[in-house]
Amino acid sequence: NAGVTQTPKFRVLKTGQSMTLLCAQDMNHEYMYWYRQDPGMGLRLIHYSVGEGTTAKGEVPDGYNVSRLKKQNFLLGLESAAPSQTSVYFCASTSRTFGYTFGSGTRLTVV
Amino acid sequence: GDSVTQMEGPVTLSEEAFLTINCTYTATGYPSLFWYVQYPGEGLQLLLKATKADDKGSNKGFEATYRKETTSFHLEKGSVQVSDSAVYFCALRQGAQKLVFGQGTRLTINP
Repeated sequence: NAGVTQTPKFRVLKTGQSMTLLCAQDMNHEYMYWYRQDPGMGLRLIHYSVGEGTTAKGEVPDGYNVSRLKKQNFLLGLESAAPSQTSVYFCASTSRTFGYTFGSGTRLTVV
Repeated sequence: GDSVTQMEGPVTLSEEAFLTINCTYTATGYPSLFWYVQYPGEGLQLLLKATKADDKGSNKGFEATYRKETTSFHLEKGSVQVSDSAVYFCALRQGAQKLVFGQGTRLTINP
């Protein structure tokens, strides 16, 4: 089925470890986004991309890096995980004419 | 910057009750407005949208009208069902296709 696929779905990290979250979309969307969802705070934009090879900072970019080497993939990296990065991470994609499509989320716990 | 404010939850109603979830926004331009719904353990799904003033978005019995004069986009449903239990997010979009979310309102419908 067409859509946005996030991997992994769950992960537990120790403080200081690194990891990469993968987002893949097969709808040929230009725009891709990474959000984090925390209780009582809605979704906050971490980084986004308006096309292959481009990235930009969102509302809460500190501690994260991203790459968009291929149009269909948007990677979110944590170089040195901290407990404050415990959250649910959502990837989304869109084009100019369609609404956002969200992935099912990655639940990350940093201990 | 742009922002969205939703009524605080949680909201608990009985089946067949009337639902209103308030949403107001602050934006410099003329944003598009959205309501998203998140069922337990899932990503966000677009519920309805409106792209200009006085537009009414509707879907699955839910409605919301874009009111520029009051900068509001309140969500309503005439008769809620248990299956409507979810978290509802109001959002706006303008410029670079970025979505700005409210904090979300958790709705529980009791049979």
